[in-house]
Amino acid sequence: SYELTQPPSVSVSPGQTASITCSGDKLGDKFASWYQHKPGQSPVLVIYQDTRRPSGIPERFSGSASGNAATLTISETQAMDEADYYCQAWDSNIAGVFGTGTKVTVL
Amino acid sequence: QVQLVQSGADVKKPGASVKVSCKVSGYTLSDLSMHWVRQAPGKGLEWMGGFDPEDGETLYAQKFQGRVTMTEDTSTDTAYMELSNLRSEDTAVYYCAADDYGDYAFDHWGPGTLVTVSS
Repeated sequence: SYELTQPPSVSVSPGQTASITCSGDKLGDKFASWYQHKPGQSPVLVIYQDTRRPSGIPERFSGSASGNAATLTISETQAMDEADYYCQAWDSNIAGVFGTGTKVTVL
Repeated sequence: QVQLVQSGADVKKPGASVKVSCKVSGYTLSDLSMHWVRQAPGKGLEWMGGFDPEDGETLYAQKFQGRVTMTEDTSTDTAYMELSNLRSEDTAVYYCAADDYGDYAFDHWGPGTLVTVSS
């Protein structure tokens, strides 16, 4: 079965940049999305189609993808960005798969 | 604005089935691709299945094939997810999630439904 691997945790200081990498076989050939999930709330889409940002999502969230990886970057990180982040990929063979998830801590 | 309203929390015994509903407002269900995602306690998000607009079929994650059925009632704009032969590991929050552009991204999420499986 297809797997997407993320680092379990990332720590960042306020105002600094956090990057989360999602790794999977030929991930760059698939559509990748990223979701922010805070405790007790529903997930929120922050990046879709590798690089596109939904309306209402701050510009400090950006995405990229190439080869076997997709990356979510949070610039000028704020305390409110502390959450779990999940990548997700789709293609006709794997359908929908979520990554293992990364806990972002803003110190 | 798409809103998804899910049915309330449920408690089931092992071996039973559960059916969770997700009512759409502000949009027409037939114009959405509806998916179901769950999160067990202390675990990550897990895609269970959903509608693939490219081939017009509902796809299920291999892990759930044979145990899950996803249906839609377009007359009431309500989607359903039924999971059978429940076991304790199925205790989780179940979310419906909608893709409104057919781009395989889940733009809108329901509030989640807690299903507890316990004898």
